[in-house]
Amino acid sequence: AQSVTQLGSHVSVSEGALVLLRCNYSSSVPPYLFWYVQYPNQGLQLLLKYTTGATLVKGINGFEAEFKKSETSFHLTKPSAHMSDAAEYFCAVSKDSSYKLIFGSGTRLLVRP
Amino acid sequence: DAGVIQSPRHEVTEMGQEVTLRCKPISGHDYLFWYRQTMMRGLELLIYFNNNVPIDDSGMPEDRFSAKMPNASFSTLKIQPSEPRDSAVYFCASRRTGGNSPLHFGNGTRLTVT
Repeated sequence: AQSVTQLGSHVSVSEGALVLLRCNYSSSVPPYLFWYVQYPNQGLQLLLKYTTGATLVKGINGFEAEFKKSETSFHLTKPSAHMSDAAEYFCAVSKDSSYKLIFGSGTRLLVRP
Repeated sequence: DAGVIQSPRHEVTEMGQEVTLRCKPISGHDYLFWYRQTMMRGLELLIYFNNNVPIDDSGMPEDRFSAKMPNASFSTLKIQPSEPRDSAVYFCASRRTGGNSPLHFGNGTRLTVT
């Protein structure tokens, strides 16, 4: 069965600092991996996804994530945080393109001025 | 593309009443998902459909919950009777078949049962 663990329910960074949100997964098959962002009172929006191919995936708003099979990780990074990045971020895993997504518990990103 | 449309945005009801949440998926999407979000349990998948057929309803909490998809453009999630512990934000999401197709979420229905 697939599962996702997000380390840290809250992460606080200063504006301009590096953002690192951690995600580890377990999957019995090569997984499809996703990061979603949720702003207050809105649904989730796709940031980026890994299906096959290049392990470094670039997404919207300057975010990227690297699939590391040996570490079963898919951490999300952004070189320089912006105030508008403050939101909740969810990592998700699926075993194939037609399967349901399993979400992690989410990490709330706070950006200090 | 109007996105996934959910109604109502907010619903306040009394314990014991029937609640119906509605969803219109994006046209052409053949998968539809219902999720529930709470502070305590995070995002939980309740049920999903493929081509209007329920595929996996193992996340539906109990018999008080039911979901239907009578056609490709409409789905409902019904709670009867409702209880205070059902208070949550309920999301509908849809996607196409295919490896690179992302999940598109609606803005959710915030349900409060008093």
